Amino acid sequence: QKEVEQNSGPLSVPEGAIASLNCTYSDRGSQSFFWYRQYSGKSPELIMFIYSNGDKEDGRFTAQLNKASQYVSLLIRDSQPSDSATYLCAVVRGADGLTFGKGTHLIIQP
Amino acid sequence: NAGVMQNPRHLVRRRGQEARLRCSPMKGHSHVYWYRQLPEEGLKFMVYLQKENIIDESGMPKERFSAEFPKEGPSILRIQQVVRGDSAAYFCASSPRDGGATDTQYFGPGTRLTVL
Repeated sequence: QKEVEQNSGPLSVPEGAIASLNCTYSDRGSQSFFWYRQYSGKSPELIMFIYSNGDKEDGRFTAQLNKASQYVSLLIRDSQPSDSATYLCAVVRGADGLTFGKGTHLIIQP
Repeated sequence: NAGVMQNPRHLVRRRGQEARLRCSPMKGHSHVYWYRQLPEEGLKFMVYLQKENIIDESGMPKERFSAEFPKEGPSILRIQQVVRGDSAAYFCASSPRDGGATDTQYFGPGTRLTVL
């Protein structure tokens, strides 16, 4: 059974600091990895995807992937109060549907 | 440039009634996925469809649930004889499936189903 594990939080980070979100997955055949952000009562919004080992940067966001350790992370630099949301890690193998973690609730404290 | 569209946004049904949820994918996308998010739970994959084909329905409950994506018109998720446990947010996502494993799924605003 495919599983994606995330710490549910809440993770509290001061404004301007780096927020670090982590995710592990069980299916070694997973090929692509996604981070979505979901505000309360809203739909998931794509932040980043990554499919190769290493780091991928996009603005204030950096995704990190380590397939050997089956570990994905998301770093948010210069955290803003508007970054407060639930962050969902999702993995996929080929054309399958996404397997989501339950999400980490992030709170940025002004 | 419209994104994924879902309607209705909110749907209230009494136990035993039928619920029909509609999803129109983004322009140029021919692949549709349905997910369900129960209160305080994560998103769960239900079904993956292409036009006129169900590709993977491994996440669909065996009874009362069905999905279609006809040649013309939106994808439909149909729930017959709804029960209170069906109350959830149902999200549709679409992707272009233009090759590779990095196809990104973009989500619609969701339909919030409440069963009284």
